[in-house]
Amino acid sequence: DAGVIQSPRHEVTEMGQEVTLRCKPISGHDYLFWYRQTMMRGLELLIYFNNNVPIDDSGMPEDRFSAKMPNASFSTLKIQPSEPRDSAVYFCASRMEGLRETQYFGPGTRLLVL
Amino acid sequence: GQNIDQPTEMTATEGAIVQINCTYQTSGFNGLFWYQQHAGEAPTFLSYNVLDGLEEKGRFSSFLSRSKGYSYLLLKELQMKDSASYLCAVSFPRLTGGGNKLTFGTGTQLKVEL
Repeated sequence: DAGVIQSPRHEVTEMGQEVTLRCKPISGHDYLFWYRQTMMRGLELLIYFNNNVPIDDSGMPEDRFSAKMPNASFSTLKIQPSEPRDSAVYFCASRMEGLRETQYFGPGTRLLVL
Repeated sequence: GQNIDQPTEMTATEGAIVQINCTYQTSGFNGLFWYQQHAGEAPTFLSYNVLDGLEEKGRFSSFLSRSKGYSYLLLKELQMKDSASYLCAVSFPRLTGGGNKLTFGTGTQLKVEL
């Protein structure tokens, strides 16, 4: 059974360029989460969706960041324009509705903005 | 946001036992997770506690005291492969709009030595 799939696994871009990160959640999961991880700030929740609807985007740092979930099997996180301080590992996670709320993480996208 | 405190790093000897502590604000608490994250990899689920007491799963155990806002992860018979970051994550109700939100601590980097 495939886990959460993310692409690309690594991205190197120049400041000012648009970056699009992609995520395919585990089939049947109702929730999808986007996180950012840095050494300084740890793992931070950016936004999460329930049944494809954005529920909480309070963690999105600024208007340069946007996320969409057009269907149950695909989501994107876009940064436009990118800046060096956006360099981080971006994780996507998904889970099923239920009491345990266990989230399953994808392998992450390592983003470097030069 | 919710404050979650755990030690930054710990060192232990192969074969020994180590306890990693986590404290959090108690108001509105739903449940507590422990995740393991090896360098360069995604976090993986270890345990979930919602009731007071000890949950044992092989070499790993997790304890929770809801009234004290305290949890620990106990690792027995340490192996070199246990060297990783251990993340404490707490589920709290969202301030607005309903639903829950998972907030991660910054993680405890465990180094297992010979």
